[in-house]
Amino acid sequence: QKEVEQDPGPLSVPEGAIVSLNCTYSNSAFQYFMWYRQYSRKGPELLMYTYSSGNKEDGRFTAQVDKSSKYISLFIRDSQPSDSATYLCAGPAAGNKLTFGGGTRVLVKP
Amino acid sequence: DGGITQSPKYLFRKEGQNVTLSCEQNLNHDAMYWYRQDPGQGLRLIYYSQIVNDFQKGDIAEGYSVSREKKESFPLTVTSAQKNPTAFYLCASRKQEQNTEAFFGQGTRLTVV
Repeated sequence: QKEVEQDPGPLSVPEGAIVSLNCTYSNSAFQYFMWYRQYSRKGPELLMYTYSSGNKEDGRFTAQVDKSSKYISLFIRDSQPSDSATYLCAGPAAGNKLTFGGGTRVLVKP
Repeated sequence: DGGITQSPKYLFRKEGQNVTLSCEQNLNHDAMYWYRQDPGQGLRLIYYSQIVNDFQKGDIAEGYSVSREKKESFPLTVTSAQKNPTAFYLCASRKQEQNTEAFFGQGTRLTVV
């Protein structure tokens, strides 16, 4: 079982809709999570990071962690065509490494 | 500006050749990482280094080699032993402390011709 899993998508939404992205994780010791956005043929860029349970908001983005169900989510409000990208979730791993989900491809249609 | 620089952006290799991908960071990070990304897939860890002159194998180290002679630099060599080297290679760095985020370079696309 992978430590972090994501639905690969693609997830297609109309412009202005809310994009909802989810990851599940297996290691209950994880307390720190990150979301990255990756445009085609570019390196991932950090969107948000969050500790433990609860919500964290940054502009149109909200990150949510539910430790009881080992579920992490990213919501994008008022989605724009420029939000079309692959979104990767990540959590800590042994040996000061990070473990990544496989990424969810999002397409926002004008 | 602080950041991570990977070069070249595109690299072509003939079969049987070794090639070296460059990764330089000026973020003063101790830890550096190399990942491989294949189309439609996530990131797979090749090698990582937590301190100068020390590095560890990741999940797919076979056919690759690294060095860490300077804190700022972590070059990756793709050797002829790597049977399927065509991929997108990403370098990342982060602080040594737990629960810190990683920052990525813009990647090198390697193609075997």
